[in-house]
Amino acid sequence: DAGITQSPRHKVTETGTPVTLRCHQTENHRYMYWYRQDPGHGLRLIHYSYGVKDTDKGEVSDGYSVSRSKTEDFLLTLESATSSQTSVYFCASALAEPAYEQYFGPGTRLTVT
Amino acid sequence: GENVEQHPSTLSVQEGDSAVIKCTYSDSASNYFPWYKQELGKRPQLIIDIRSNVGEKKDQRIAVTLNKTAKHFSLHITETQPEDSAVYFCAASTGYSGGGADGLTFGKGTHLIIQP
Repeated sequence: DAGITQSPRHKVTETGTPVTLRCHQTENHRYMYWYRQDPGHGLRLIHYSYGVKDTDKGEVSDGYSVSRSKTEDFLLTLESATSSQTSVYFCASALAEPAYEQYFGPGTRLTVT
Repeated sequence: GENVEQHPSTLSVQEGDSAVIKCTYSDSASNYFPWYKQELGKRPQLIIDIRSNVGEKKDQRIAVTLNKTAKHFSLHITETQPEDSAVYFCAASTGYSGGGADGLTFGKGTHLIIQP
């Protein structure tokens, strides 16, 4: 599973609180991604990173920020959690060129009450 | 942006029969098309992928075909087995453009049920 871990695996938080999810990979992959998975929507890209301190927005980036200070870690922050951010969050990573393959972490189930 | 449509949403087949899942994409610049299998409560697992310079790719019982002109691609599973039961997702990407590797745009998934 490409040595990708996520923490925490489960979290329940209250509306308005900040939340940070962590993705850690040991494969020295250059590219990392955050997706959310919701019933009826499949997986949707939130943010991605193409190197340390290099990030860009995805399809559903509103309300989320990311940081990547080290190759192996990619953090996703919800500054003020809302109920609409209740979801399963998956991190993925990929090698640099020529590989395209993205490998996923085990996911974090986040519930905002 | 890219839009990926996937059909059917649910597919039930008899064990041993073949299953076909179809996807269409909208962005002609997309050049990488992976398929993921996700079992309940687990992470998506890459099972096969195809790039735009190839029309078909096989790996044992699974195959993927790509028609760039029509902008559609399909997953074929032959001799289905109970362990093939899962949700399958297609995806598309423009791959590497400029300085970064773009993310994947996923279809909404197909729940494949293998009937004994």
